[in-house]
Amino acid sequence: GAVVSQHPSWVICKSGTSVKIECRSLDFQATTMFWYRQFPKQSLMLMATSNEGSKATYEQGVEKDKFLINHASLTLSTLTVTSAHPEDSSFYICSATGLVYEQYFGPGTRLTVT
Amino acid sequence: QKEVEQNSGPLSVPEGAIASLNCTYSDRGSQSFFWYRQYSGKSPELIMFIYSNGDKEDGRFTAQLNKASQYVSLLIRDSQPSDSATYLCAVNWDGGSQGNLIFGKGTKLSVKP
Repeated sequence: GAVVSQHPSWVICKSGTSVKIECRSLDFQATTMFWYRQFPKQSLMLMATSNEGSKATYEQGVEKDKFLINHASLTLSTLTVTSAHPEDSSFYICSATGLVYEQYFGPGTRLTVT
Repeated sequence: QKEVEQNSGPLSVPEGAIASLNCTYSDRGSQSFFWYRQYSGKSPELIMFIYSNGDKEDGRFTAQLNKASQYVSLLIRDSQPSDSATYLCAVNWDGGSQGNLIFGKGTKLSVKP
């Protein structure tokens, strides 16, 4: 149980385009999901907290107009990177919260912006 | 500022030995504590969680919590080369209103055959 999927697992896009990443909880409902970013050899960095049916809460320094989050249902949250630039290239990981606030992570999406 | 501190390592142990990973946290109000394993290039994987003082065992893994000392540890018995990874300690700090976790920077473990 407690499986979280992400799609796509990797994506290459051109600078200036937008990319949508999907995060799904497959066998449980997740009122809250989280989006993280991780650069090589660095720690996880929380970008935003996504709540079903309401606006996401963004961490300081994360541009909400650039990283659009939609939590449309109890099993799906999406992150759209708008007008992507090479510096947005990173490993994006989502997680969903379980019953005792443990977080189950998706496999991650590796974004490369050329 | 709520913080979770871990020794970055690398911690190197021989195969079959016990690996001991430590974590301290700053917020006395923290309720739940989690250990994750992250292989290079992969996302974190939950190993176990603990919220009561004392020990909690799951297979070769034992989590130990001491709230008075604000200290949580993970012991890995009979370490295997496949245990070589970065281990992340995480603490739930906001009383569970959203389940936000604060992560340590991780300890890199290397198990030598």
